[in-house]
Amino acid sequence: IAGITQAPTSQILAAGRRMTLRCTQDMRHNAMYWYRQDLGLGLRLIHYSNTAGTTGKGEVPDGYSVSRANTDDFPLTLASAVPSQTSVYFCASSVLAGGPPDTQYFGPGTRLTVL
Amino acid sequence: AQKVTQAQTEISVVEKEDVTLDCVYETRDTTYYLFWYKQPPSGELVFLIRRNSFDEQNEISGRYSWNFQKSTSSFNFTITASQVVDSAVYFCALSAIVSGTYKYIFGTGTRLKVLA
Repeated sequence: IAGITQAPTSQILAAGRRMTLRCTQDMRHNAMYWYRQDLGLGLRLIHYSNTAGTTGKGEVPDGYSVSRANTDDFPLTLASAVPSQTSVYFCASSVLAGGPPDTQYFGPGTRLTVL
Repeated sequence: AQKVTQAQTEISVVEKEDVTLDCVYETRDTTYYLFWYKQPPSGELVFLIRRNSFDEQNEISGRYSWNFQKSTSSFNFTITASQVVDSAVYFCALSAIVSGTYKYIFGTGTRLKVLA
């Protein structure tokens, strides 16, 4: 069982370019999340999805979009990257959604640099 | 407002010393959950423990122990006889209802360096 995979591992991107970060889980978890990790700020929630077909905005959603066409995949798209989006991005998933929170499990992260 | 404060940005200890990582949280909810995650140098986030607001019993798992005190809104993490492999960034997180659904709020993390 792979758990959660993210691709690419790292990426250097020119400002203004479009980029999609991929996230796939094989645990059949209902809920999935995208976070960004920045030094001194911890992890901040970008978008989440409680179940396939639904998405919601987190703490820092501007400049990002997500989709959840099926249970396993939760891609994060930067439509026009800016240098402030340089960060490490983590995808996470959890079994339940909406009720008392269960544990979130994290992918290995994607290091994105926008120049 | 929901908030998690990890006031210790970085701690350095010598191997075999005990070390406590502090976590103070704020929430108005009566039902909430607290978590600790470890992020080793390799970068992945590893789940360590989850505790709900109705269970104040301390927990011990090997060299790790957690002290949950609602009176002081704290959920501190102690590593006994620290080892070099314990070197990592440790995050405390609170899960409470935000806009009608449970969301995680992470602290800014404490970097622990265990020196040989």
